[in-house]
Amino acid sequence: EPEVTQTPSHQVTQMGQEVILRCVPISNHLYFYWYRQILGQKVEFLVSFYNNEISEKSEIFDDQFSVERPDGSNFTLKIRSTKLEDSAMYFCASCLKAGGDTQYFGPGTRLTVL
Amino acid sequence: GESVGLHLPTLSVQEGDNSIINCAYSNSASDYFIWYKQESGKGPQFIIDIRSNMDKRQGQRVTVLLNKTVKHLSLQIAATQPGDSAVYFCAEKVNAGNMLTFGGGTRLMVKP
Repeated sequence: EPEVTQTPSHQVTQMGQEVILRCVPISNHLYFYWYRQILGQKVEFLVSFYNNEISEKSEIFDDQFSVERPDGSNFTLKIRSTKLEDSAMYFCASCLKAGGDTQYFGPGTRLTVL
Repeated sequence: GESVGLHLPTLSVQEGDNSIINCAYSNSASDYFIWYKQESGKGPQFIIDIRSNMDKRQGQRVTVLLNKTVKHLSLQIAATQPGDSAVYFCAEKVNAGNMLTFGGGTRLMVKP
């Protein structure tokens, strides 16, 4: 069964450094998402992406965040200058179409900012 | 603001019993609901979904019930197994957008 994959599984970085989290969505899916989950808290929406542009974003997704689909398979989340409060699990998800189609999640990247 | 919430943070059941996990939502504009299972260190795994024009949907050992009158969603797991132990999240989607809003999660513990 096709799966969403994410790398790395764990990223440790110093405050102020840039990080790039990588995702490979399910191959025929058209909609891509990033969510995050701070330890012990809810999963929170960050951004959705379709047709090479952002379609929705939350208040969390400020100017320090950016997303890109650099080729036909990868979908990345960049944090330009990490803060301690960016420490969380970051999940990538994809779905085939809009309108309530199922979003399938990857295993997540644990980001630790020191 | 409006949000999805859960009544019980932890549910402990005996293996073989049925489990019911509840979720309250407050946004009447929500038109799509999903239940996800999350095991430790893993991403949310899709279990079952339901659209707002339905009140019940069944899968393999799982049933989702939607009561729009009281804005309540439940997940029923039949013959609960140790492998069902996890945190269960409900999530809702509002209108035509794609953003999912997640509830706080309920931990299901299955005793052998």
